[in-house]
Amino acid sequence: EADIYQTPRYLVIGTGKKITLECSQTMGHDKMYWYQQDPGMELHLIHYSYGVNSTEKGDLSSESTVSRIRTEHFPLTLESARPSHTSQYLCASSDETSGITGTDTQYFGPGTRLTVL
Amino acid sequence: AQSVTQLGSHVSVSEGALVLLRCNYSSSVPPYLFWYVQYPNQGLQLLLKYTSAATLVKGINGFEAEFKKSETSFHLTKPSAHMSDAAEYFCAVSAGGTSYGKLTFGQGTILTVHP
Repeated sequence: EADIYQTPRYLVIGTGKKITLECSQTMGHDKMYWYQQDPGMELHLIHYSYGVNSTEKGDLSSESTVSRIRTEHFPLTLESARPSHTSQYLCASSDETSGITGTDTQYFGPGTRLTVL
Repeated sequence: AQSVTQLGSHVSVSEGALVLLRCNYSSSVPPYLFWYVQYPNQGLQLLLKYTSAATLVKGINGFEAEFKKSETSFHLTKPSAHMSDAAEYFCAVSAGGTSYGKLTFGQGTILTVHP
């Protein structure tokens, strides 16, 4: 069973607040990802990292930022939350155990459901 | 660029009936294909993946999928549905060696199983 954790699971916050969504994994995976998921919609990649001090923006533009100072930790920050940020945020990690690039299995955390009032 | 289309946002079957969830992909390079399942209030879990070995892939919980290049499809099947199969299912594609592990997901199919 994968060991990837997200806190908080649910967050209701007012407009303009700064928030940090936490994501940690204990599998030693180099690659980590953040997805945004709205009800009935596909997951959209918003950030990814290939290792410490490596971060890239994903396919969906996001006002959030991420950092990767430690292998196991990949927090996502919103400097000023807005109602348009209301969504579910999923964190995942993967490792290329097969040796074939692109065949990684991604392991997902349980998600953080964010509501901005 | 890659894309995934899942035909049918909702599928309803009776317990014991065949489950068929449809997935078509588009990719400019030979793809790797994945099916993930998401239970309520949980993250996604890998069911199975195609990585250019056998075209018929067997996964967990009795699911399997067949890669058909000529039809650009990777449909998910299970011979006999169980109540515990009720969940949302996502098909995903990676662009092989150029993807560096990134996935493009379909919009998901919610499977309902009736007693």
